[in-house]
Amino acid sequence: NAGVTQTPKFRILKIGQSMTLQCAQDMNHNYMYWYRQDPGMGLKLIYYSVGAGITDKGEVPNGYNVSRSTTEDFPLRLELAAPSQTSVYFCASSPTGSKTPLHFGNGTRLTVT
Amino acid sequence: AQKITQTQPGMFVQEKEAVTLDCTYDTSDPSYGLFWYKQPSSGEMIFLIYQGSYDQQNATEGRYSLNFQKARKSANLVISASQLGDSAMYFCAMREGRDSARQLTFGSGTQLTVLP
Repeated sequence: NAGVTQTPKFRILKIGQSMTLQCAQDMNHNYMYWYRQDPGMGLKLIYYSVGAGITDKGEVPNGYNVSRSTTEDFPLRLELAAPSQTSVYFCASSPTGSKTPLHFGNGTRLTVT
Repeated sequence: AQKITQTQPGMFVQEKEAVTLDCTYDTSDPSYGLFWYKQPSSGEMIFLIYQGSYDQQNATEGRYSLNFQKARKSANLVISASQLGDSAMYFCAMREGRDSARQLTFGSGTQLTVLP
């Protein structure tokens, strides 16, 4: 099993550009999440999804959009990139069950200059 | 108010000794779960251990154990017999409620350095 796969691993954007961070999981998990981690900080939730066609905002959704057309994929869209979006982005998934941990991808390091 | 507080930005421990990483939490929900993750310098997030609010015993997983003090709302991670490979950032996280779709809220982390 590949688990949670994120692409790209690294990306540099200019201010005002847009991009999509890809996330795919092959574990048939219903729940998927996008977090961002700023340097020296914990993770903050951007968006999450409880199943195909259902998404909801997390703590820091401004400047981002998501979609969930399939169980496997949960892309994160950045529109009009700003320096404040420089961060490491983690996608995660989990099966049902309140005791289940999140399974994380390896992250995408994004720099906006 | 912070839901998860990790008050130790950095900790040092000698190889082969035990170390305790502190975590306090804040919730009014009687049902919750606490998770610890390790993030080595390579950046991936590795799940270590879970403790449920109704669990009668402290969780253990190999060299990792949780010192769960419910009345004090603390869930400290104990690493026994530290190894050089334990050097990493450690995050405490909480899921509130019984709904497993609810996200994890993370603390700011503790950077652990194991000294040879």
